[in-house]
Amino acid sequence: GQQVMQIPQYQHVQEGEDFTTYCNSSTTLSNIQWYKQRPGGHPVFLIQLVKSGEVKKQKRLTFQFGEAKKNSSLHITATQTTDVGTYFCAGSKGGGATNKLIFGTGTLLAVQP
Amino acid sequence: SQTIHQWPATLVQPVGSPLSLECTVEGTSNPNLYWYRQAAGRGLQLLFYSVGIGQISSEVPQNLSASRPQDRQFILSSKKLLLSDSGFYLCAWGRVRDQPQHFGDGTRLSIL
Repeated sequence: GQQVMQIPQYQHVQEGEDFTTYCNSSTTLSNIQWYKQRPGGHPVFLIQLVKSGEVKKQKRLTFQFGEAKKNSSLHITATQTTDVGTYFCAGSKGGGATNKLIFGTGTLLAVQP
Repeated sequence: SQTIHQWPATLVQPVGSPLSLECTVEGTSNPNLYWYRQAAGRGLQLLFYSVGIGQISSEVPQNLSASRPQDRQFILSSKKLLLSDSGFYLCAWGRVRDQPQHFGDGTRLSIL
């Protein structure tokens, strides 16, 4: 079945350092979504990418969707302690009424002040 | 605005006992509804989804079941809980056509 893998599983950085997580799908996706889950919390939607090669920015966060629409990345510039949490990508193959997402395995980010 | 409510927040149950978790959505109609389970430190596993009243699709075989008795109500149940049912259960709603999903606060279920 369709799989969405993320690397790394865990990353520990010093505050101020950059961070990147990568998301790879075994199949072509119609769109990719990114979610953040704070420790003890629930996933919160961050952004959605739809077009091949699309790049979107949210302040210090940069999201990219690969040309082949099978991979994506999230880059955080100058991490802060508020960035701590698990970042999930979620892919959709599109079509139909279900909107069924396949969530990636997640990357846990720890930021040391 | 739309809101999603999930309860209880925490639940401790003995092995073999029944389970009922409830999720309700407000401020929208005919949402797609989802139940996920998350093991500690792991990703999200889709358990069930529903596109309408009485319509349930199961993603993985298990001793859990889901029901949607009303448009904005989604219930996760079990007749007899297993130790392996422990985890963080999340309800979510979304629209069609690849729109984002919005999650409830979740229920932490511990089986003793």
